[in-house]
Amino acid sequence: GIQVEQSPPDLILQEGANSTLRCNFSDSVNNLQWFHQNPWGQLINLFYIPSGTKQNGRLSATTVATERYSLLYISSSQTTDSGVYFCAVEQAAGNKLTFGGGTRVLVKP
Amino acid sequence: ETGVTQTPRHLVMGMTNKKSLKCEQHLGHNAMYWYKQSAKKPLELMFVYSLEERVENNSVPSRFSPECPNSSHLFLHLHTLQPEDSALYLCASSQGVSGGATQYFGPGTRLTVL
Repeated sequence: GIQVEQSPPDLILQEGANSTLRCNFSDSVNNLQWFHQNPWGQLINLFYIPSGTKQNGRLSATTVATERYSLLYISSSQTTDSGVYFCAVEQAAGNKLTFGGGTRVLVKP
Repeated sequence: ETGVTQTPRHLVMGMTNKKSLKCEQHLGHNAMYWYKQSAKKPLELMFVYSLEERVENNSVPSRFSPECPNSSHLFLHLHTLQPEDSALYLCASSQGVSGGATQYFGPGTRLTVL
């Protein structure tokens, strides 16, 4: 099956810093989503981005489907950005998300 | 976000118990999913229901038994579980049966098997 790798596995940031999280996938995909999992386990949708660039406030994401990677940018990080960020992809077969291992982010005040 | 709710939020059970997890989606979606998140492992898809029919069983042991009585409700019946089944169980829903649709997740049930 498709492989999804995220880097870095852990990231410690000072409040106000910018960062880039990466997601590599091993095959073509029909769907790519970025999620933030808060400390209570809730997965929050950030972006649905199979290709192109999107922005939502301090977060933005870019997916280059032809090169099989996606990037999530966090600007001016805040302590509430702490948690685990997951990338998940779906192949053309439909409805089945495969998740990466996540990037655990800690933003220090 | 209250689009997808799950109960209970926490569950402790013995290996001989029978319990059920419940998921309800209020988004008008027609596909629902169960995922398992174990410590230090990626989220794993367990089951997919589309229009109330199971379309995916990702090699899940028979001690996990899903039920989808209608498009808004999804259950996961548990019996004779093992300690290694302790995990966060997440439910999700989406609109669209052919894929490519955003999945929305519930808050999860944290299960501990003693």
